[in-house]
Amino acid sequence: NAGVTQTPKFQVLKTGQSMTLQCAQDMNHEYMSWYRQDPGMGLRLIHYSVGAGITDQGEVPNGYNVSRSTTEDFPLRLLSAAPSQTSVYFCASSRTSRYNEQFFGPGTRLTVL
Amino acid sequence: DQQVKQNSPSLSVQEGRISILNCDYTNSMFDYFLWYKKYPAEGPTFLISISSIKDKNEDGRFTVFLNKSAKHLSLHIVPSQPGDSAVYFCAATTYSGGGADGLTFGKGTHLIIQP
Repeated sequence: NAGVTQTPKFQVLKTGQSMTLQCAQDMNHEYMSWYRQDPGMGLRLIHYSVGAGITDQGEVPNGYNVSRSTTEDFPLRLLSAAPSQTSVYFCASSRTSRYNEQFFGPGTRLTVL
Repeated sequence: DQQVKQNSPSLSVQEGRISILNCDYTNSMFDYFLWYKKYPAEGPTFLISISSIKDKNEDGRFTVFLNKSAKHLSLHIVPSQPGDSAVYFCAATTYSGGGADGLTFGKGTHLIIQP
């Protein structure tokens, strides 16, 4: 089992550019989510999905889109990158939405210039 | 307004001694609490959790205590080992929330185990 994988590990964007952060899990987990971590802050929920075809917003969804076409993949799209989106992004999954011991990926460090 | 607070940004403990990490919460709807450990350049890894119907949960060297009336929980690590040096995040959620709440995290405490 690879667990939760994220690509890329690092990315530098210019303001206004778009990109997709990839997340995949091979544990057949129903629930997947995206968090961002800013310096000196805890992780904050961006978007989540309780199963394929179902997504919803978390605490800080503005500027991000998600989709869940398969159980395994949960990409996060930045539509028009802004410096405020400079952060470390973590994808997580758990067996079901009620099973809260989430497994986290290694993170993507994003810098927006 | 921070709903989960870890008021100690860092904590230094001698190897072999007890490490006590504290966490306070303000949202009375939280009924499930977790501790995650994070090494640099890695994602958080789950350590231990506790439901609000319990006041203590133990797993090897790790014990979490929950005081609901004080809205306070603590993580005890006994004995502390060099590999325990990491950032520890306290997180809370509503178990019955169906995932909508996700996890609300504190800012973390950097635990340093001194040899």
